[in-house]
Amino acid sequence: DTGVSQNPRHKITKRGQNVTFRCDPISEHNRLYWYRQTLGQGPEFLTYFQNEAQLEKSRLLSDRFSAERPKGSFSTLEIQRTEQGDSAMYLCASSLAALGTEAFFGQGTRLTVV
Amino acid sequence: DQQVKQNSPSLSVQEGRISILNCDYTNSMFDYFLWYKKYPAEGPTFLISISSIKDKNEDGRFTVFLNKSAKHLSLHIVPSQPGDSAVYFCAASAAGGTSYGKLTFGQGTILTVHP
Repeated sequence: DTGVSQNPRHKITKRGQNVTFRCDPISEHNRLYWYRQTLGQGPEFLTYFQNEAQLEKSRLLSDRFSAERPKGSFSTLEIQRTEQGDSAMYLCASSLAALGTEAFFGQGTRLTVV
Repeated sequence: DQQVKQNSPSLSVQEGRISILNCDYTNSMFDYFLWYKKYPAEGPTFLISISSIKDKNEDGRFTVFLNKSAKHLSLHIVPSQPGDSAVYFCAASAAGGTSYGKLTFGQGTILTVHP
């Protein structure tokens, strides 16, 4: 399978716990994006990387959220001290760093904070 | 502020007929537009795109039309098939700086195609 892979697919956690999600992009893609989607809404941009550099972070990304892409390949998104409002689908996408190229999405990680 | 809007939450169409999904945007910096399809419990799947230098792009049963002056685009599916039933998202990106590729999505339109 050469698509974007996300793990885990589902995560249930208690409020206040930390969670970490992983994304493995398409191997030749140097751009990696994180989005969050809540019910009835479209995906909202959180942050993106070009290779290992984090180039932009949304104001939606509070200081409890941190993302890394240490070697320019896979990425992790960590949420510290989770809150019920963090419950959402977290989507990862990858693309080439070129104009007019589409992003390919993974299947997402569904987070439920109880 | 919602820079990309899909004002129809749902659309119901008979198999074989045309489905028309609409999208409006407010940011004049957007110059690349995409449509994604999403099934439940899956990530969005790329469908078709259009650059702002064009007003139409066609791929099989799918055609996207762009009206820059009205800041409006639409996706036409002809003929519609039951397997097209999904949520359709309009998305836009701007070429300026390093932000190209970062997508702003609409809220989505649920398309149901009845046999």
